[in-house]
Amino acid sequence: GQQLNQSPQSMFIQEGEDVSMNCTSSSIFNTWLWYKQDPGEGPVLLIALYKAGELTSNGRLTAQFGITRKDSFLNISASIPSDVGIYFCAGRGSSGSARQLTFGSGTQLTVLP
Amino acid sequence: DSGVTQTPKHLITATGQRVTLRCSPRSGDLSVYWYQQSLDQGLQFLIQYYNGEERAKGNILERFSAQQFPDLHSELNLSSLELGDSALYFCASSVTGTDYEQFFGPGTRLTVL
Repeated sequence: GQQLNQSPQSMFIQEGEDVSMNCTSSSIFNTWLWYKQDPGEGPVLLIALYKAGELTSNGRLTAQFGITRKDSFLNISASIPSDVGIYFCAGRGSSGSARQLTFGSGTQLTVLP
Repeated sequence: DSGVTQTPKHLITATGQRVTLRCSPRSGDLSVYWYQQSLDQGLQFLIQYYNGEERAKGNILERFSAQQFPDLHSELNLSSLELGDSALYFCASSVTGTDYEQFFGPGTRLTVL
């Protein structure tokens, strides 16, 4: 089956710093999604990417769909305390079981004041 | 608020018991997905329904079953519960059966004692 490696597993940063996290896949995806999950809540969709090389922003968040179609990156600029949470990447292939979303293991972000 | 509702929020039960989790998708969404999130497994896709029909199956145990009703709400039935079934169960919905963007509910936390 498809496997997603998400890194880093956790990050501790100072408020105001920029953050980068990434996901790599063992197979080609045609969609990459980035979600954020707060404690006790469901994941919230942040950014969706549909095309290799695509760069999409949502406020202070920017995500890119890697050219190889096997990776994606999420950057958060000028972090603030409410950025705290777990960030998940999710990818989707083009056929069979690969058409279901596969989730990365998450990056736990802590923003220190 | 994603528009997806799930009940109950918390459920505590004993091994061997059976429980039913309920999900109402966003207005207009025809597809419902069920996921299990446990500490050591991350978000795992269980099953998808589209307009009342099963569309795809993931890592769903035989002890688990689901259905989607004519009003599009869905229920996930978990039977012969084991300690290892303790997890967060999320429902997500999308407009069609092949939509890339899924919107998650707040989840049901199941604790099996």
